Amino acid sequence: GIQVEQSPPDLILQEGANSTLRCNFSDSVNNLQWFHQNPWGQLINLFYIPSGTKQNGRLSATTVATERYSLLYISSSQTTDSGVYFCAVVETSGSRLTFGEGTQLTVNP
Amino acid sequence: ETGVTQTPRHLVMGMTNKKSLKCEQHLGHNAMYWYKQSAKKPLELMFVYSLEERVENNSVPSRFSPECPNSSHLFLHLHTLQPEDSALYLCASSQEGRAYEAFFGQGTRLTVV
Repeated sequence: GIQVEQSPPDLILQEGANSTLRCNFSDSVNNLQWFHQNPWGQLINLFYIPSGTKQNGRLSATTVATERYSLLYISSSQTTDSGVYFCAVVETSGSRLTFGEGTQLTVNP
Repeated sequence: ETGVTQTPRHLVMGMTNKKSLKCEQHLGHNAMYWYKQSAKKPLELMFVYSLEERVENNSVPSRFSPECPNSSHLFLHLHTLQPEDSALYLCASSQEGRAYEAFFGQGTRLTVV
């Protein structure tokens, strides 16, 4: 099956800093989603982005499907951005989401 | 609010108990999923229901028994669980297909004592 690798595994920032999270995948995909898991466990949809670039407030994401990676940008980070960020994909030959292991983000005041 | 609601949010049960987790979606989707998230591990897909039929069971022990009475509701019946079954159980829904966007519930944090 498809492999999904996220980096870095852990990231600690001061409030106001910017960051980039990366997701590499091993095969072609027709679905890619970024999620934020809050401290209570809920997965919040950030982006549905199988290709191209999207922006939502301080967050933006870019997927370069031909090169098999996606980037999540967080600008002017806030303490409420803390949590785990997951990338999940559906490979072209499949139909189920495969998750990466996540990036644990801690934003300190 | 994602449109997918799970209850209860927390559950502590003994190994001889029987309990059920409930999931309800208000998004008009036709596929529903149970995922398990153990500490320090990625999300693992347990069951998939499409149009109320179970289409996938990823080698899950029989002490976990899913039920999908209609396209809006999904249950996970639990009996004689083991302490290693303690985890966060997440429900999701989507439109069945290759390029769907999935939405998740808040999760049930289960502790087996």
